[in-house]
Amino acid sequence: NAGVTQTPKFQVLKTGQSMTLQCAQDMNHNSMYWYRQDPGMGLRLIYYSASEGTTDKGEVPNGYNVSRLNKREFSLRLESAAPSQTSVYFCASKGQEMSYEQYFGPGTRLTVT
Amino acid sequence: SQQGEEDPQALSIQEGENATMNCSYKTSINNLQWYRQNSGRGLVHLILIRSNEREKHSGRLRVTLDTSKKSSSLLITASRAADTASYFCASTGEDTGRRALTFGSGTRLQVQP
Repeated sequence: NAGVTQTPKFQVLKTGQSMTLQCAQDMNHNSMYWYRQDPGMGLRLIYYSASEGTTDKGEVPNGYNVSRLNKREFSLRLESAAPSQTSVYFCASKGQEMSYEQYFGPGTRLTVT
Repeated sequence: SQQGEEDPQALSIQEGENATMNCSYKTSINNLQWYRQNSGRGLVHLILIRSNEREKHSGRLRVTLDTSKKSSSLLITASRAADTASYFCASTGEDTGRRALTFGSGTRLQVQP
């Protein structure tokens, strides 16, 4: 039982390049989330998915797109990376509807030059 | 913008001492959680306190919640070097069905052996 896994762990992009961050969970959770964490700050919600086939914007969605491929996988895409998107990205999942605890992946450290 | 603010931003104590971290939030909440983040890792859930609770214990952790002041505190008793980490409060609002978390800015705790 791996929990929440993310790939890649590190990535360096040039401005304007695109990439997809992958996230998968093996806990049969319905809800999945993407957050970003900037230095010295807490996490901010980018997008979330309450269930397979649904996605919705969070606090900072601009410049990102997401896909809930199936119940296990939730990907985050940067179509045209900008230096302001340099951050650490965390994926999380949550179990039953009345549950509040979230389980986090190890993060992807992204640098855009 | 971040809903939660935490203080202190950084805290350095000796092993065996108690550590207290405070969190304030702005809007009405359903519950408040505390998470720990070791350097370079994802977040790990520590404890959840519901809006109708005032105090909760889990091992060496004690959490209090004052909804009239919109604040919470996390007390770690008899700290250990292994408690060195960043600690974040995270709240779930009353009016959100997505169960997404709004994080504070975190407290970096250093426990000196």
